Amino acid sequence: QQQVKQSPQSLIVQKGGISIINCAYENTAFDYFPWYQQFPGKGPALLIAIRPDVSEKKEGRFTISFNKSAKQFSLHIMDSQPGDSATYFCAAPTGNQGGKLIFGQGTELSVKP
Amino acid sequence: DAGVIQSPRHEVTEMGQEVTLRCKPISGHNSLFWYRQTMMRGLELLIYFNNNVPIDDSGMPEDRFSAKMPNASFSTLKIQPSEPRDSAVYFCASSFIVYGTSEQETQYFGPGTRLLVL
Repeated sequence: QQQVKQSPQSLIVQKGGISIINCAYENTAFDYFPWYQQFPGKGPALLIAIRPDVSEKKEGRFTISFNKSAKQFSLHIMDSQPGDSATYFCAAPTGNQGGKLIFGQGTELSVKP
Repeated sequence: DAGVIQSPRHEVTEMGQEVTLRCKPISGHNSLFWYRQTMMRGLELLIYFNNNVPIDDSGMPEDRFSAKMPNASFSTLKIQPSEPRDSAVYFCASSFIVYGTSEQETQYFGPGTRLLVL
């Protein structure tokens, strides 16, 4: 079964630092790679996503970098803040039809003040 | 919009009992997903409906699990009989997807139902 491998499992960063989370995927029918953010007691929510026509996407302090040849993509959080403390999931499309995602195992980020 | 609504938010039951989880997707969305989240297995897709039709139920663990979507605004996930290993947080998510195309759209998750089977 297709897998998405996410690392690290947990990450501690000082306020103002850069948080980097990596994901590797297997073959996909489509190029669409979202990152979801989950706070304790809440459902995951889309943070940022990248589509096939670009290798990098930036939204505020959050950037996705995409390396198609290596089948890897990563999330960079610049100037990390305590409010960014959450669990982050990468995901990749699976199957031959649209809609279905497979999620990474998650990275628990803690930003220390 | 109220977002995806799930009920109950918490459920404690005893082994062998029937459990029914409910979900109301976002109005206008045509796709609905049921996920299970545990520490050991992460976020797993159980079943995916498109236009009320089950498209992929390969993630449903066994016959004890069943899901229905009688109309565009309501879905249930039923576990009968429940077992302690079913304890998890169950999420419902909805989206608008044109099935059969390469379009990928945001999935909107509900707050989840935390299930504990004793």
